[in-house]
Amino acid sequence: AQSVAQPEDQVNVAEGNPLTVKCTYSVSGNPYLFWYVQYPNRGLQFLLKYITGDNLVKGSYGFEAEFNKSQTSFHLKKPSALVSDSALYFCAVRPSNDYKLSFGAGTTVTVRA
Amino acid sequence: DSGVTQTPKHLITATGQRVTLRCSPRSGDLSVYWYQQSLDQGLQFLIQYYNGEERAKGNILERFSAQQFPDLHSELNLSSLELGDSALYFCASSFGGGGANEQYFGPGTRLTVT
Repeated sequence: AQSVAQPEDQVNVAEGNPLTVKCTYSVSGNPYLFWYVQYPNRGLQFLLKYITGDNLVKGSYGFEAEFNKSQTSFHLKKPSALVSDSALYFCAVRPSNDYKLSFGAGTTVTVRA
Repeated sequence: DSGVTQTPKHLITATGQRVTLRCSPRSGDLSVYWYQQSLDQGLQFLIQYYNGEERAKGNILERFSAQQFPDLHSELNLSSLELGDSALYFCASSFGGGGANEQYFGPGTRLTVT
C-alpha cells in the first residue's frame, strides 16, 4: 500500500521569501509523484509531476520539486513566494504498477505581504 | 478552467435518499476518476473508469456506484445517504488510464445530507 505524508499542516512565509512545502512518501516499486494546488471553493490544479529522469522537476507558476529517492521525498519549492500563492497544496503518489492515486493531507500555505 | 464540468454545484438532501452526480471529462480524455473530500478523511480516491470500463477501485462504499457512458461522461450514484456522506465530491479526467498521467479536476459538487 502507498501513503503520503505532509508533515506541516501550515506554512507561513513573507512575500519574496523562498517557499518549501514538504512531502514524503511510501510506495512499493517506482513512484509517480504529483503536486496539486487547491484555491478556496475550487477544484485541484495540477502543478507538476515526477515520472522518471531528472530529479529536479519544473512546473507551473514558477514551482519546482526535487525527487530524492534515498529520502523518499518530493518537496515543492518556489524561490520567491507571492501573496497569490496562498492556497492548499497536496502531494500525491501512485505506484508505477497501480492506478490508485493517494493524496497527502494537504499543507495550507499563507504568504503575507 | 480545467475543462472538466460537474453538475450540480450544490446538493442538499435528507438521510436515506439517493442522488446522482454528473461529470463531463475534458475533450479527448478517456479516464474519469471520482474523489471524496471531507475534513476528517481528506481527499479519498473512490473509483476510476477508462473508456467505459472500471479500471480501479478505492475506498468506495457499497452504497455508492458509478458508471461511464459511451460519450465518456460519468455519473456517481450515492444511495441510502447518511450524515457522514456530506462532503465535496470531485471528478477528474486524464487522457490515458495509466499512472503517469496527470489528472484534471472539476470544480466539485458539494453534498450536504441533513
